[in-house]
Amino acid sequence: GVTQSPTHLIKTRGQQVTLRCSSQSGHNTVSWYQQALGQGPQFIFQYYREEENGRGNFPPRFSGLQFPNDSSELNVNALELDDSALYLCASSLEGRGSPLHFGNGTRLTVT
Amino acid sequence: QKEVEQNSGPLSVPEGAIASLNCTYSDRGSQSFFWYRQYSGKSPELIMSIYSNGDKEDGRFTAQLNKASQYVSLLIRDSQPSDSATYLCLRGGSNYKLTFGKGTLLTVNP
Repeated sequence: GVTQSPTHLIKTRGQQVTLRCSSQSGHNTVSWYQQALGQGPQFIFQYYREEENGRGNFPPRFSGLQFPNDSSELNVNALELDDSALYLCASSLEGRGSPLHFGNGTRLTVT
Repeated sequence: QKEVEQNSGPLSVPEGAIASLNCTYSDRGSQSFFWYRQYSGKSPELIMSIYSNGDKEDGRFTAQLNKASQYVSLLIRDSQPSDSATYLCLRGGSNYKLTFGKGTLLTVNP
């Protein structure tokens, strides 16, 4: 399945954070979502074959990487209080008919 | 109009009843839809996928898709307290971006 680390993280405003994800074996696409309390997941970006091929309405301080070994990263610079949320990584097969398979998420708290 | 809208909820049903969850979408090019269940503090888990008009049944769950009217629904028969969760509708679009609805909180009362 999809695994994420760490499970929980506490950071201070202005700091930088890196979240990690290991995709399900055989999946070639990874997507990252931000979910604030009481809201549906918001699309951050998607990577396919190590290149970003789609982005939601998030500023450039949100960036990512996808590696050949099915792992990926979400980096957030200059953390703001509003970045506090559950960050979800999902892997899938490329193609609009493929569902997302989620990891357990990383709960980020910015103080 | 939002890309994906779900009935706002919260929805409360007694144990054993049918719970009906609805989702409408704006992009007529949408080809696939997915229903996810999310328990509080946990990640979404896939319940149903539906790609063509009509009904698709899996155990107590039935997904219904009507592309002409641009809605998709999820029926849960014989609702159990363990079904209490937030249900998310996910639209598989004509582009890379998969869009979630806000979710509907379902409570099944014993």
